[in-house]
Amino acid sequence: EAGVAQSPRYKIIEKRQSVAFWCNPISGHATLYWYQQILGQGPKLLIQFQNNGVVDDSQLPKDRFSAERLKGVDSTLKIQPAKLEDSAVYLCASSFGTGYNEQFFGPGTRLTVL
Amino acid sequence: EDQVTQSPEALRLQEGESSSLNCSYTVSGLRGLFWYRQDPGKGPEFLFTLYSAGEEKEKERLKATLTKKESFLHITAPKPEDSATYLCAVAYGNNRLAFGKGNQVVVIP
Repeated sequence: EAGVAQSPRYKIIEKRQSVAFWCNPISGHATLYWYQQILGQGPKLLIQFQNNGVVDDSQLPKDRFSAERLKGVDSTLKIQPAKLEDSAVYLCASSFGTGYNEQFFGPGTRLTVL
Repeated sequence: EDQVTQSPEALRLQEGESSSLNCSYTVSGLRGLFWYRQDPGKGPEFLFTLYSAGEEKEKERLKATLTKKESFLHITAPKPEDSATYLCAVAYGNNRLAFGKGNQVVVIP
């Protein structure tokens, strides 16, 4: 069974530029999550989708971050404009059921903002 | 205030030296507590889910337990390949999720 795919794996941009990350979850998984993980810390949930709908986006900085999940499958996370403090690993995960089930994580995208 | 606190932050063990990691939580309406393992440069890998106080799960040298306010991950006779960061996460309320900062474990041969 293929795992969660993410691209790109690495991205370096300058502050105030825009960047987008892509995630393809495990086939059949209804719930998709985006996390931000700063070095030395645990993952911080940015947004949770169940199928096409947003379940929780309370920690998403909506003035600069946006995310969508088209047709309940793939998802993109965008940052516009980026700030230095956005440097982190962005993890995508999916689960078969709700947030009360085990999650399967992708390898992450390491973003460096200069 | 952190909702999930893990201790110790870092732990160095000799191979074969058993120890325990702690995850305490302050959320109400716990729906599940999860343990994940994360290796450098990789995404977290699922280990266990615990749903109610008194529940225990085991996998190889790892055993997870849950009380009303905390969980322990016991590592018995660890090997160098058990070196990783162990993350605790809680699902609570209406689809809320929170992770702790992790326990970084190094097992020395």
